[in-house]
Amino acid sequence: KAGVTQTPRYLIKTRGQQVTLSCSPISGHRSVSWYQQTPGQGLQFLFEYFSETQRNKGNFPGRFSGRQFSNSRSEMNVSTLELGDSALYLCASSLTGSGTGELFFGEGSRLTVL
Amino acid sequence: GESVGLHLPTLSVQEGDNSIINCAYSNSASDYFIWYKQESGKGPQFIIDIRSNMDKRQGQRVTVLLNKTVKHLSLQIAATQPGDSAVYFCAGRTSYDKVIFGPGTSLSVIP
Repeated sequence: KAGVTQTPRYLIKTRGQQVTLSCSPISGHRSVSWYQQTPGQGLQFLFEYFSETQRNKGNFPGRFSGRQFSNSRSEMNVSTLELGDSALYLCASSLTGSGTGELFFGEGSRLTVL
Repeated sequence: GESVGLHLPTLSVQEGDNSIINCAYSNSASDYFIWYKQESGKGPQFIIDIRSNMDKRQGQRVTVLLNKTVKHLSLQIAATQPGDSAVYFCAGRTSYDKVIFGPGTSLSVIP
């Protein structure tokens, strides 16, 4: 079956712009989690959505937001981009929730902020 | 806050030797731990998990050991192969049902 699909894979933005990243989970998975990965900080949890509701949120500013649609696809948005937002953004889906079993990761969206 | 951390950022082993990657966690209430492997250019991939009611769990060439007394877990890879070269992350479930990842250990296998 198809894995987790993230789009776009690469993008370049400038400071102050906003960006929207998309994630299509594995068919049947209702949970989508987002992580930010940087060389210095590792994988930092952003938020998790389950059946269109935000279930958990990490310690990121309000510029980072997300949503989940009825088909379980999820988007995350970062507004007013800063240089420090340059990172690989990973999406992971799971059947019942991130804390209860295996996470299936996409290959990520690599964001560069200039 | 709650944290999950690894002891060594890098580890080099000879092909055929066993590898041991260590991880420590801060929250004694964490009850579920997972190891992930991330190869270059890919997302992390599940290796093995363990619940707090267990001390040891084995998979194919991998073993995870959990020591709740000192809040430490380790991943052992038997007969390490070049394909095992990757970054390994331990992750733990927090009291708020979030999964928090450690910073990762980069494993290099020397042929």
